[in-house]
Amino acid sequence: QKEVEQNSGPLSVPEGAIASLNCTYSDRVSQSFFWYRQYSGKSPELIMSIYSNGDKEDGRFTAQLNKASQYVSLLIRDSQPSDSATYLCAVINAGNMLTFGGGTRLMVKP
Amino acid sequence: DAGVTQSPTHLIKTRGQQVTLRCSPKSGHDTVSWYQQALGQGPQFIFQYYEEEERQRGNFPDRFSGHQFPNYSSELNVNALLLGDSALYLCASSLLSFAVTYGYTFGSGTRLTVV
Repeated sequence: QKEVEQNSGPLSVPEGAIASLNCTYSDRVSQSFFWYRQYSGKSPELIMSIYSNGDKEDGRFTAQLNKASQYVSLLIRDSQPSDSATYLCAVINAGNMLTFGGGTRLMVKP
Repeated sequence: DAGVTQSPTHLIKTRGQQVTLRCSPKSGHDTVSWYQQALGQGPQFIFQYYEEEERQRGNFPDRFSGHQFPNYSSELNVNALLLGDSALYLCASSLLSFAVTYGYTFGSGTRLTVV
């Protein structure tokens, strides 16, 4: 079992819709959780972090964390074609090591 | 404020050769981690350096080695290159005590092609 799992996609949504990206993790002692966006050929860019159960909102982005279910999600409201990218879920363990999932490719169609 | 800088941006090497990649962390950061990202996959953790010592290591062979200098910059060395080493190599930095809160900042990467 991989430590961090994501559906590879592609996830295709129409412009203006809500995109929902999901991630599960196996290490129960994981402390904090991050979503990175990676455009093709570029490096990962941090867009959201969350470490408490519940929701955290930042602009069009909402991160959701459920530690009991070991589940993290990212919602993107009013999706734009410029949101088309690969979204990487990452977790930090007690040793401050950042572990990534395989990423979900999002395609927003005009 | 300079972010994480990596050099070179692109590199082509022949199988069996050795390569050195370089990274300067973001100003104020003391920890450097290296990742390998194959096409279509998520970044895989190679190792992490803090206070000039290898602090953690992922599942990579001894052909992969590194170093951190007193100014916190770091090098990744790969010996006896294999075709399978072709990937994007990413450097990420953080202030270790704040990594849990703020995560890591990534450089633009070095694209290594082994022929």
